[in-house]
Amino acid sequence: EAGVTQFPSHSVIEKGQTVTLRCDPISGHDNLYWYRRVMGKEIKFLLHFVKESKQDESGMPNNRFLAERTGGTYSTLKVQPAELEDSGVYFCASSQDRYEQYFGPGTRLTVT
Amino acid sequence: KNQVEQSPQSLIILEGKNCTLQCNYTVSPFSNLRWYKQDTGRGPVSLTIMTFSENTKSNGRYTATLDADTKQSSLHITASQLSDSASYICVVSRGFSGGYNKLIFGAGTRLAVHP
Repeated sequence: EAGVTQFPSHSVIEKGQTVTLRCDPISGHDNLYWYRRVMGKEIKFLLHFVKESKQDESGMPNNRFLAERTGGTYSTLKVQPAELEDSGVYFCASSQDRYEQYFGPGTRLTVT
Repeated sequence: KNQVEQSPQSLIILEGKNCTLQCNYTVSPFSNLRWYKQDTGRGPVSLTIMTFSENTKSNGRYTATLDADTKQSSLHITASQLSDSASYICVVSRGFSGGYNKLIFGAGTRLAVHP
């Protein structure tokens, strides 16, 4: 069984540009989560999808971040326009139940 | 404030030795506590998940304990191997009505096992 995959693995963009991160969850997992770790800090929750609906988006830092999950399969996280403080590692996780979450390898975003 | 504190921040041990990592939390309402292992460049991988009623759980050479009264947990690694070198993250799940959980992460303990 394939795990959670994320694309790209690394992205370097300039301040003011737009970046779209993609997450493909484990097949059949209704729950999909986005997390972020900025340098030197702990991983923090961004938002949670149940199928295509946003269950909780309380962790989204501001309206420059837009997450979508059309059709309840893969999800995208768009940052527009990117700022220097958006640099970090963005993780996606999926789960079938409320306990075990399976994490992807992360996308390292560098904003210069 | 909902927080998870881990100690030590980093640790170096020799291969074959044991070690214990600590986690204190102030998360409420508590649902469960998890320990994850994160290798460099990879995503976190679950080692153990413990609910309120469980005070110990093992996964091979990893044994986690939970004291829900004092809000403390530990992860004990026995007979360490070079492959144990990684970050170990304590995560506490906040429980909400309807079964919804929200994860609060600690900053992790970076373990280096030397030959």
